Amino acid sequence: QVQLQESGPGLVKPSETLSLTCTVSGGSSSSYYWSWIRQPPGKGLEWIGYIYYSGSTNYKPSLKSRVTISVDTSKNQISLKLSSVTAADTAVYYCARVDDYRFFDYWGQGTLVTVSS
Amino acid sequence: QSALTQPASVSGSPGQSITISCTGTSSDVGSYNLVSWYQQHPGKAPKLMIYEVSKRPSGVSNRFSGSKSGNTASLTISGLQAEDEADYYCCSYAGSNTFYVFGTGTKVTVL
Repeated sequence: QVQLQESGPGLVKPSETLSLTCTVSGGSSSSYYWSWIRQPPGKGLEWIGYIYYSGSTNYKPSLKSRVTISVDTSKNQISLKLSSVTAADTAVYYCARVDDYRFFDYWGQGTLVTVSS
Repeated sequence: QSALTQPASVSGSPGQSITISCTGTSSDVGSYNLVSWYQQHPGKAPKLMIYEVSKRPSGVSNRFSGSKSGNTASLTISGLQAEDEADYYCCSYAGSNTFYVFGTGTKVTVL
């Protein structure tokens, strides 16, 4: 059974860079797409971007200038960096496996990141 | 790219059937049979319930079914049970510029 676990700082200051890691267990990060999705408190889901195990990426256009997603297949880890954060970036951040770009079949439990000074 | 439109809330009594709509555009829902539905209980991660409009993953109850007509997809829950009370989100692939767009979310209440 594939399991995903997000980790990283729960508090980030405005204008700084948010950095999260997703560790995959029970399976390999190879041969799949991996996405980051976020959910502001009390609000809906927002797709941030994805990476293929080969390293190719695609991002939501409105976030593209601030987002970097990378993969380390040797560690089975997918990373997210979001720069120049503001309070609007406060959210629960989820990593999820993408089944051949069709749907998100496995999700991590999510991690809350608060942007505040 | 705007979020797909869902009703804010839907309710029903145990045993009844309810349907949640998900309205998009000809650029997303209307163009691709890549609509998926997710169930989210409070404080939990979303769970895949339907993919490719009407397919159920292994382990998901057959009380959940999906369909699509034009730019609108629908999720039907039949034989409503207390455990079905949750938020539900649709999602559609929207092409190689936008990629994925989620719905606004629907809170299902079992009366």
